[in-house]
Amino acid sequence: DVKVTQSSRYLVKRTGEKVFLECVQDMDHENMFWYRQDPGLGLRLIYFSYDVKMKEKGDIPEGYSVSREKKERFSLILESASTNQTSMYLCASSLQLEAFFGQGTRLTVV
Amino acid sequence: RKEVEQDPGPFNVPEGATVAFNCTYSNSASQSFFWYRQDCRKEPKLLMSVYSSGNEDGRFTAQLNRASQYISLLIRDSKLSDSATYLCVVSHLNGGYQKVTFGTGTKLQVIP
Repeated sequence: DVKVTQSSRYLVKRTGEKVFLECVQDMDHENMFWYRQDPGLGLRLIYFSYDVKMKEKGDIPEGYSVSREKKERFSLILESASTNQTSMYLCASSLQLEAFFGQGTRLTVV
Repeated sequence: RKEVEQDPGPFNVPEGATVAFNCTYSNSASQSFFWYRQDCRKEPKLLMSVYSSGNEDGRFTAQLNRASQYISLLIRDSKLSDSATYLCVVSHLNGGYQKVTFGTGTKLQVIP
């Protein structure tokens, strides 16, 4: 069974803090993704990576950066958290086309 | 126009009913199509892929209409456990990688 694990289920951070969201997958998948999910807007792609140290911007990269130093780990970084980044963040990994998701991190920025 | 559009619902149907969802996509170069299911406060999980010839998995049938650029999901004999949000997913090649776009989801509530 593919397992994608996100480091936290719930996080509360203050405006201006630097926030790290970690994601680890155990199936040696090449591709990893970070999405955010908001009511009425669905899942929107922030960044994705198709190999170690490779990254590509998704549809809404502003205010975010990513790091992929090892194949199994893909980190999302909020450089200076803002209240409009309050959301559910979902990490996913895939080998071909099927994506496997982590359980999500609900981030609240106050 | 959104790349992938779905009716957000909610669709409230009685147990045993048949319900159908449609999803339209705007990019005619789209190659792969899927339905994902997302339970409340859980992550999305693949329900089924959608093939050109249509495919069936038990009570679920998925169809693709390339000419009109939509995919559909039919659920027969609805169960309470089918209550969830159903996400339409479309992908196409974009500069050497697959770009995957999710619809906003259609919420289904099956009522006893």
